[in-house]
Amino acid sequence: SAVISQKPSRDICQRGTSLTIQCQVDSQVTMMFWYRQQPGQSLTLIATANQGSEATYESGFVIDKFPISRPNLTFSTLTVSNMSPEDSSIYLCSVEGPALDNEQFFGPGTRLTVL
Amino acid sequence: GENVEQHPSTLSVQEGDSAVIKCTYSDSASNYFPWYKQELGKGPQLIIDIRSNVGEKKDQRIAVTLNKTAKHFSLHITETQPEDSAVYFCAALKTSYDKVIFGPGTSLSVIP
Repeated sequence: SAVISQKPSRDICQRGTSLTIQCQVDSQVTMMFWYRQQPGQSLTLIATANQGSEATYESGFVIDKFPISRPNLTFSTLTVSNMSPEDSSIYLCSVEGPALDNEQFFGPGTRLTVL
Repeated sequence: GENVEQHPSTLSVQEGDSAVIKCTYSDSASNYFPWYKQELGKGPQLIIDIRSNVGEKKDQRIAVTLNKTAKHFSLHITETQPEDSAVYFCAALKTSYDKVIFGPGTSLSVIP
């Protein structure tokens, strides 16, 4: 398995501001993903964070709203921009790679509340 | 694209009884089916998975079965314990590095 940490673990933000969430994994991984989980709901993929190139976004998610960086094989950030109360969710990163038997493992999540 | 359905949405069992959660998927090309357990305030934890070349897999009190013809798979938990209480998600994907399509989740409560 992999040890994945996310910062911050939770935050309360004002509408119109931006928050950057960090995801750090303890080993090099091929793939890193960002998911959103709205209260009481399942997980929805936001984007795949590609190392050295632009992220690949799913339908309904755009780079201007959720810019993503992945500078190396163990770290990624997700920014939630110009936040509104509808962005209140749990944001999770996950990782996958050959060293993990190509299974996906999830971080603990960042609980975001937008007022 | 892939669509995963999951039943029941909530399940309550007495401690020691068995719990069964069922999922169906739509894309016959899917060949990897993980199950995740999510406790309150935590990220999903992979508890067991099955690949399409296997019909059943067991790990202690947890087992998963797969029927590719019918496109459904199930999670079986025997001798349930209070610590099994959590939300369980089934998922399906086609290949390694594919995005995970999650079912809507089952909230399992084990009553002591």
